[in-house]
Amino acid sequence: EDQVTQSPEALRLQEGESSSLNCSYTVSGLRGLFWYRQDPGKGPEFLFTLYSAGEEKEKERLKATLTKKESFLHITAPKPEDSATYLCAVRPNSNSGYALNFGKGTSLLVTP
Amino acid sequence: NAGVMQNPRHLVRRRGQEARLRCSPVKGHSHVYWYRQLPEEGLKFMVYLQKENIIDESGMPKERFSAEFPKEGPSILRIQQVVRGDSAAYFCASVTAGLGYTFGSGTRLTVV
Repeated sequence: EDQVTQSPEALRLQEGESSSLNCSYTVSGLRGLFWYRQDPGKGPEFLFTLYSAGEEKEKERLKATLTKKESFLHITAPKPEDSATYLCAVRPNSNSGYALNFGKGTSLLVTP
Repeated sequence: NAGVMQNPRHLVRRRGQEARLRCSPVKGHSHVYWYRQLPEEGLKFMVYLQKENIIDESGMPKERFSAEFPKEGPSILRIQQVVRGDSAAYFCASVTAGLGYTFGSGTRLTVV
């Protein structure tokens, strides 16, 4: 069964304190791994797509990496505005179209 | 407006009533995906629709739930005889190649 597990469930950081979020997955063939950011009361906002092991993508203070079993979202020198829930999702071969399997998310709080 | 539009933002229904949730995808997109987010749970795929066609409804509960995407007008997710367990946030999304999903802001259904 295609599964996505994110850890930790919640993370509290001081402003400037770098850290990483983990997304472990088991899929029957991967057609893409996605990271989204979700603010309270809003829909998820697209951050990155990764397709193959070894791939990395960066955007401002965020960097996503991918191996054959997991992905990391590295947050460098975070700011309070980075506080949000970060969602990881996979697009397995077994899903139709663009249907994704999501993890439960990591809730990040960055304090000044 | 280039985004995905969902309405209403909030919907309160008494047990046994019907709920109708509407979604208009990004202009020019002819496919929509519906997801449900239960409290403390990840986003779960429900149904994938093309105009006038249901492509994949493998995530839809077998009873009381239905979805359509007519030739003209928004996609509709209909929940008949709602129960407390249907209380959740319902999101719809359309896909832009290379950018993944664009999600709407969601409809938060509360069943009282």
